[in-house]
Amino acid sequence: DIQMTQSPSSLSASVGDRVTITCQASQDISKCLSWYQHKPGKAPKLLIFDASILDTWVASRFSGSGYGTDFTLTISSLQPEDVATYYCQQCGTLPITFGQGTRLEIQ
Amino acid sequence: EVQLVESGGGLVQPGGSLRLSCAASGFSFGSYAMSWVRQAPGKGLEWVSGISGGGGDTYYADSVKGRFTISRDNSKNTLYLQMKSLRAEDTAVYYCAKDLRAMYFSDRSGFDYWGQGTQVTVSS
Repeated sequence: DIQMTQSPSSLSASVGDRVTITCQASQDISKCLSWYQHKPGKAPKLLIFDASILDTWVASRFSGSGYGTDFTLTISSLQPEDVATYYCQQCGTLPITFGQGTRLEIQ
Repeated sequence: EVQLVESGGGLVQPGGSLRLSCAASGFSFGSYAMSWVRQAPGKGLEWVSGISGGGGDTYYADSVKGRFTISRDNSKNTLYLQMKSLRAEDTAVYYCAKDLRAMYFSDRSGFDYWGQGTQVTVSS
C-alpha cells in the first residue's frame, strides 16, 4: 500500500497567515493527489484534485502543488472558517489511501 | 443539486451484519464510480470499497475483504454496502462518496461529493 505522510499533524496560526501543509507519498503517484477539508459533523469537502486544480467554488486562497511523491497545500491568508482537519489522498494505486490528517487551529 | 444520503447504520453485536444504503440524486448516478470511506473515532479517513459506474468492477481494502460487499442499483440510484462478521474495529462513521469524473475505477480521481455519514457501532 502507498503510505501518505502529512506534516505537521497539527498547526496553530493567526488570521492572515500563510499556511503550508505537506504530504509525501511512499511511491510515485504522478499527479493523482487530492486535498480535503473536514469539519466535525460535516462531510469532507474536496479542495484540490490532480495535485493543483482547485475544485469549483473553493476559495482562491487555497492552492496545491507537487508531482511524484511530494505535494503541498497552501492557504495564502488564513481565515477563521478555515479551522478544520485537512487530508491528502492518493488515487494512483489501489487501495486508495489518505494521509493521517493535519488539524488546523487559529491562534 | 447533488445529494448523497446514507442510511442503515446502528448498533450491532460483534459477528453481526448490517447493510448500508446511499441514495443519490442530482447527477447521472450510473455514470460515476462510487466509494465507501469510513472514519473511526479519533482517527483519520480510510477508504473501504469502490465500485465502477456499471457495477461490474468492485474493489476492497484488505481490512474488509471477504466480509463486506459493495453493490449498486442504478435503476434506484442507490449504493449499498453489505457488512458481515462485524468487528469492534469496524466502528466508524461511514460515508459514501462520488468520484469526480470517472465511470471506471481505473480512471479514478478525487471524491467531489460526500454524504453526511451514517454511524456504525459494533459492540456487545
